Amino acid sequence: DAGVIQSPRHEVTEMGQEVTLRCKLISGHNSLFWYRQTMMRGLELLIYFNNNVPIDDSGMPEDRFSAKMPNASFSTLKIQPSEPRDSAVYFCASSPPYGYTFGSGTRLTVV
Amino acid sequence: QQQVKQSPQSLIVQKGGISIINCAYENTAFDYFPWYQQFPGKGPALLIAIRPDVSEKKEGRFTISFNKSAKQFSLHIMDSQPGDSATYFCAASRDNDMRFGAGTRLTVKP
Repeated sequence: DAGVIQSPRHEVTEMGQEVTLRCKLISGHNSLFWYRQTMMRGLELLIYFNNNVPIDDSGMPEDRFSAKMPNASFSTLKIQPSEPRDSAVYFCASSPPYGYTFGSGTRLTVV
Repeated sequence: QQQVKQSPQSLIVQKGGISIINCAYENTAFDYFPWYQQFPGKGPALLIAIRPDVSEKKEGRFTISFNKSAKQFSLHIMDSQPGDSATYFCAASRDNDMRFGAGTRLTVKP
């Protein structure tokens, strides 16, 4: 959806490297969500922000994962160091009054 | 912890047939139940949604049936078309905390 823009679309990196995924939102949406999608585990909520404040990060797998939302329209998800098991599609979503608007995702492959 | 259980995992339907996907939830605090449709290489897109104060919602060929006492809801796709072939996710949420089912891969054969 054009209202949520993720970059890059694809990322291939070597194990141990730092990876930063980016998400840009249309204005006016107060909440932002990061999801991870794999065949084995489906869509998993990693973290969500409301008014730029992290509300629930209980889904973040471990300390290697961190997320920031420095302003109302931008967020990053960082993995440092990356591991092969982090390979997945990562989605960012915003929340208008009802329902989510998802970005097209970033397909991350860690080799 | 799987808060929303979805079945079947995959479904094959002939063109013109009815596709039915079922979901069950545990947390009675959930107050919004959407269905998402996802095509390969795309993010999930909101298809139709319902709140627990109604038992059914219909939009075109898509209908949600909701059973609050059983904590179950389902998606019915009438007159299924090959273009409906996608992965469908049910979800349940409250206050922006949304939990998804595992997804159903629907294939509609011409």
